[in-house]
Amino acid sequence: GIQVEQSPPDLILQEGANSTLRCNFSDSVNNLQWFHQNPWGQLINLFYIPSGTKQNGRLSATTVATERYSLLYISSSQTTDSGVYFCAPSDQGGSEKLVFGKGTKLTVNP
Amino acid sequence: DGGITQSPKYLFRKEGQNVTLSCEQNLNHDAMYWYRQDPGQGLRLIYYSQIVNDFQKGDIAEGYSVSREKKESFPLTVTSAQKNPTAFYLCASKDRAARHLPLHFGNGTRLTVT
Repeated sequence: GIQVEQSPPDLILQEGANSTLRCNFSDSVNNLQWFHQNPWGQLINLFYIPSGTKQNGRLSATTVATERYSLLYISSSQTTDSGVYFCAPSDQGGSEKLVFGKGTKLTVNP
Repeated sequence: DGGITQSPKYLFRKEGQNVTLSCEQNLNHDAMYWYRQDPGQGLRLIYYSQIVNDFQKGDIAEGYSVSREKKESFPLTVTSAQKNPTAFYLCASKDRAARHLPLHFGNGTRLTVT
């Protein structure tokens, strides 16, 4: 099955800093989502982005499907951005099964 | 409000007992999924169902069972055969017809078996 690698595994920032999180995947995908898991375990969908670039406020994401990677950009980080960010692609079968990476744990300090 | 409800939020059981985790959705989604998360790890797929009365094993189905008798419900039973059942369990659903729409998650159930 598809393999997913996320980097860095841990990231510590001061409030206001920018960051880039990377996701590499081993196979062609027809779906890719980025999620934020807050400290209470709740998973929030950030982007559905199998290809191209999307922006939502301070967050944006780019997926280059031909090169098998996706990037999540966080600008002007806030303490509420803390948590774990997961990349989850699915392979090109019809089941829409997402395969999760191990995540990037982000800590934003005031 | 439409969403996915998982209950209970915390569940405690003695080793050797089966336990059933509830997942209900009112989003009219066809597809439903169960994932397991261990501390510091990503999510791993246990079972999924794309239509009522049908389901398939995911990557770590051993020791688990599911049913899909109704579109809105997809309960997961953790059996005594599951060697390490203590984990955070997350249910998700998706509209199969709308591929461009994302997977939605419930708030999870934390199961502790002692």
